[in-house]
Amino acid sequence: GNSVTQMEGPVTLSEEAFLTINCTYTATGYPSLFWYVQYPGEGLQLLLKATKADDKGSNKGFEATYRKETTSFHLEKGSVQVSDSAVYFCALRENQGGKLIFGQGTELSVKP
Amino acid sequence: GAGVSQTPSNKVTEKGKYVELRCDPISGHTALYWYRQSLGQGPEFLIYFQGTGAADDSGLPNDRFFAVRPEGSVSTLKIQRTERGDSAVYLCASSLNRGNEQYFGPGTRLTVT
Repeated sequence: GNSVTQMEGPVTLSEEAFLTINCTYTATGYPSLFWYVQYPGEGLQLLLKATKADDKGSNKGFEATYRKETTSFHLEKGSVQVSDSAVYFCALRENQGGKLIFGQGTELSVKP
Repeated sequence: GAGVSQTPSNKVTEKGKYVELRCDPISGHTALYWYRQSLGQGPEFLIYFQGTGAADDSGLPNDRFFAVRPEGSVSTLKIQRTERGDSAVYLCASSLNRGNEQYFGPGTRLTVT
C-alpha cells in the first residue's frame, strides 16, 4: 500500500542554520504531496504542497520539490528561526482520493 | 471564520466503557475526515464522509469503532468497549470538497485507564 517515510528526529539546529528534512514515499499513480506543521499546543496546519512531478511548493521560507524519479519530497529552509520549532509531517494524498497518509513526523528544535 | 472544533478536548474513561467524540466542521465543508494520532506517530486515517455518507471507512480498526454524520455537518465518532490501546489523540478535519485542503481541529485526547 501507499506509505510515507520521514527522517527520524529530533533535529536540533542553531538559529540561521540550513534545514533539510527528508521524506520519501511509495505510491501507485500520481499522488499529491504535502508538508504539515504542528506548533506546540496547536493543531496541524498545511505548510506547503505540490500536486505533480517537478512542482515546487513554498511557504514561509520553506520549500519542497516533488521528485518522481526519486519518489522524494524533502523539506528545506535556508535559515531557520527559533519560531520554526515544531513537528513536521510529510503526507501524500492518493490520486482522486480524499484521505491523507502521513509520515511519522520529525521534531525540529531551533536554539538561539 | 470559525475553524474545526472538537469536543471534548480531553476524555478519560475506564476500559470497557463507551465514548463519543464530536467534530464540528467548518461551515459549508462537505468532506469530513477522522484520523487517530498515537504518541510519536503521524495521524492515521480512520474514516471519510462526503455529505452524510461514509465514502471510505477502510481505516476503522475494528467493529468497536463507528462514526456518523446524519445531517452532513457535525460528526460523532463512537467507540464501544474501549481498550487501553485506543488511547490516542483523535483528529477531525474538513475540506470544502474531496481534493481540497483539509483543515484540522485541535483534537480530542482520549485516555483509557
